[in-house]
Amino acid sequence: DTGVSQDPRHKITKRGQNVTFRCDPISEHNRLYWYRQTLGQGPEFLTYFQNEAQLEKSRLLSDRFSAERPKGSFSTLEIQRTEQGDSAMYLCASSLSYFGPGTRLTVL
Amino acid sequence: TQLLEQSPQFLSIQEGENLTVYCNSSSVFSSLQWYRQEPGEGPVLLVTVVTGGEVKKLKRLTFQFGDARKDSSLHITAAQPGDTGLYLCAGDYAGNNRKLIWGLGTSLAVNP
Repeated sequence: DTGVSQDPRHKITKRGQNVTFRCDPISEHNRLYWYRQTLGQGPEFLTYFQNEAQLEKSRLLSDRFSAERPKGSFSTLEIQRTEQGDSAMYLCASSLSYFGPGTRLTVL
Repeated sequence: TQLLEQSPQFLSIQEGENLTVYCNSSSVFSSLQWYRQEPGEGPVLLVTVVTGGEVKKLKRLTFQFGDARKDSSLHITAAQPGDTGLYLCAGDYAGNNRKLIWGLGTSLAVNP
């Protein structure tokens, strides 16, 4: 247990629906990262926060994706109008190296 | 462009065998990390190597950082079924400790 929690662990949704994931990092860590990972592949960087400021976003993060970290503690990742290609594991990392267990998204 | 290449991509061996996984790049990294990931879970950090030529040991796992800090290897001695998983290398390319560059991973299966 790295001390990073993610909720939910699994999400099944229909195409076109919106979904929101939550990450609670280690409390004293200022940086928080979001990644996407497909089966058997390495994580792909999506975005990261330094406290409440979103400092970098990947080109992978289309307009349908938005992330927030309003108080510099927990973070949310929202995907609007989900597509089947969004099906993946969404990972949160506290600082560079402490990963949560991930949220597995399946879009039907 | 994939900055970090891992090989082999898949490896299936018998319990008790030795194996080596490689992580190669044409770029210099200020540090490199190795992770192990089990299905349905997030990656777990195994080790960070920082100095060229550095060797670190974690029980039956030996990690080496190349002299030029462009490559790394992970050697497992007498593999056990509990070693099964996805092994990932990730490097700090910019040296700013802000973002990691990831390899695609080596999927290891150790059969009893």
